Amino acid sequence: SYELTQPLSVSVALGQTAKITCGGDKIGARSVHWYQQKPGQAPVVVIYRDNYRPSGIPERFSGSNSGNTATLTINSAQAEDEADYYCQVWASSTAVFGGGSKLTVL
Amino acid sequence: EVHLVESGGGLAKPGGSLRLSCTVSGLTFTKTWVSWVRQAPGKGLEWVGRIISKNDGGTTDYAAPVKGRFIISRDDSQNTVYLHMSSLETEDTAVYFCACDYGDFLDDWGQGTLVTVSS
Repeated sequence: SYELTQPLSVSVALGQTAKITCGGDKIGARSVHWYQQKPGQAPVVVIYRDNYRPSGIPERFSGSNSGNTATLTINSAQAEDEADYYCQVWASSTAVFGGGSKLTVL
Repeated sequence: EVHLVESGGGLAKPGGSLRLSCTVSGLTFTKTWVSWVRQAPGKGLEWVGRIISKNDGGTTDYAAPVKGRFIISRDDSQNTVYLHMSSLETEDTAVYFCACDYGDFLDDWGQGTLVTVSS
């Protein structure tokens, strides 16, 4: 089965750039989506289809995907960006989520 | 505004059954695909399965851990998708979310309903 690997935790200083990676075999050939989840809340998609940002998501969120790694980038990270982030792809008619990365904004 | 509301969660015994509902408003339900995703306490997201619109075939797909035990159905007259869970195991304990499935990404999630499987 297809697996996605994310770092357990990522830290970023307030106002700096955070990068959260999502590793998978030839993931660059797949469409990657990113979700943000804050404690006690449902997930929210922040990037879909590698690099599209839904309406209402701040421009500081962006995505890229190539080779074996997809990356969620948060420019000028804000305190409200502190959350868990999950990547997701489809493989063999099933949705696969990464294990999630906890972003801490220092 | 799109709104999804899950209901039906609660306590079930191992080997027992439970049916969850996901009622959708704010869009054309007959065209809507819906996925179920669960999250065990303190753990990450796990996709459970999905049902596509009847217009697109009405088919279902399931994750390996629930295949043969869970069934997803829909009632378009009630704008509702159901998750029928049987042969429940303690490992099925989780918050269950439904979400609109846009063919690849999931958007417009419900608030979730907690299922606890315990003797």
